Amino acid sequence: QAVVTQEPSLTVSPGGTVTLTCGSSTGAVTSGHYPYWFQQRPGQAPRTLIYGTNNRHSWTPARFSGSLLGDKAALTLSGAQPEDEAEYFCLISYDNVYFVFGGGTKLTVL
Amino acid sequence: EVQLVESGGDLIKPGGSLRLSCAASGFSFSEAWMSWVRQAPGKGLEWVGRIKSIADGGTTDYAAAVKGRFSISRDDSENRLYLHMNSLKTEDTAVYYCSGHSRFWSLGYWGQGGLVTVSS
Repeated sequence: QAVVTQEPSLTVSPGGTVTLTCGSSTGAVTSGHYPYWFQQRPGQAPRTLIYGTNNRHSWTPARFSGSLLGDKAALTLSGAQPEDEAEYFCLISYDNVYFVFGGGTKLTVL
Repeated sequence: EVQLVESGGDLIKPGGSLRLSCAASGFSFSEAWMSWVRQAPGKGLEWVGRIKSIADGGTTDYAAAVKGRFSISRDDSENRLYLHMNSLKTEDTAVYYCSGHSRFWSLGYWGQGGLVTVSS
């Protein structure tokens, strides 16, 4: 089974920009892996921010954007807010048959 | 307003069976591909499985950890999604979330989660 890797933790200053990445043990992450990004605050259910590499849902703040960066999927937060402090998980689809979550990135806004 | 509400979580002994239910409203459930995701206490998210819409064949896919023990079904007349869990193990202890959104995109809206505890 593939392993999906994320930075364990990152820190961003209020108003700053940070990029979280998501890599796959099978090689480069492409649009064909339909990468997702989720936000989870303590004690809450996950919330989907990005699907299919770079598509936002209606509830996703515009300061979040998804992309491919080198051989990884990436989530960029531009203009961090205190409420963005949370854990962020990526998800990779393999052949649209099975899905693997990354271990999560704990983002601190400080 | 979109709602996904899980029910059926319980304390169950190892080797036992349990069925989780997820009641959906506020979106086109019959067209949506739906997923189950779980989260063990203090751990990250783990994909459990997915079911396509009936129009797309209603086929299911599962994570290796649950394949052969868990199955997903849906009742579009009731707007309900089910997770049937058999031969439960202590490592299946987790909060189980249902999720869905639209055709192809099976992870969009989320329920609040239902706790399943497997312990003797």
